[in-house]
Amino acid sequence: RKEVEQDPGPFNVPEGATVAFNCTYSNSASQSFFWYRQDCRKEPKLLMSVYSSGNEDGRFTAQLNRASQYISLLIRDSKLSDSATYLCVVNTVYNTNAGKSTFGDGTTLTVKP
Amino acid sequence: DAGVTQSPTHLIKTRGQHVTLRCSPISGHKSVSWYQQVLGQGPQFIFQYYEKEERGRGNFPDRFSARQFPNYSSELNVNALLLGDSALYLCASSFKTSYEQYFGPGTRLTVT
Repeated sequence: RKEVEQDPGPFNVPEGATVAFNCTYSNSASQSFFWYRQDCRKEPKLLMSVYSSGNEDGRFTAQLNRASQYISLLIRDSKLSDSATYLCVVNTVYNTNAGKSTFGDGTTLTVKP
Repeated sequence: DAGVTQSPTHLIKTRGQHVTLRCSPISGHKSVSWYQQVLGQGPQFIFQYYEKEERGRGNFPDRFSARQFPNYSSELNVNALLLGDSALYLCASSFKTSYEQYFGPGTRLTVT
């Protein structure tokens, strides 16, 4: 079983739709969580951090459920420009300034006119 | 402000050769991590360095090594290249471990 698992996708949605992605992680000691987007053949770009209290940035909402060990990303009013691969990232810190980041394999979103 | 930079952008090597990839972090960032990404998968963690010391290592063979310099730039070295090492190699910097990371554009390595 992978340490971080994401919905395999692909998700094909019309403009204006609401779409949700889920991500589960296996290491209960994980401490910080992020969503990145990656366009084809480009580097991942930070979309948002994920907090236990949930956080929102415009059309994007991220939530963390530590008890169930999953993270979610909700995109409202999808735009054509939202088409990308969305990567879930889980950070585990072993001790001061030592740790690793584990990425999911990503979920591909295509928003169609 | 300059983001994370990596060099070279593309590289073609033959099996058995050695390669060195370079990364300069965002000014003020002391942590640099290296990742390998193959098509269809998420980035796989190779190394994390903080204050010039290795602080984390992924499940990669000893052919992979890295170091961080006093100016916080970093090099990733891969010896005895295999065809399976063909991938996009990404460098990311962060202020500290567990903080958000910012990626460079990557080095696309092809091993023939």
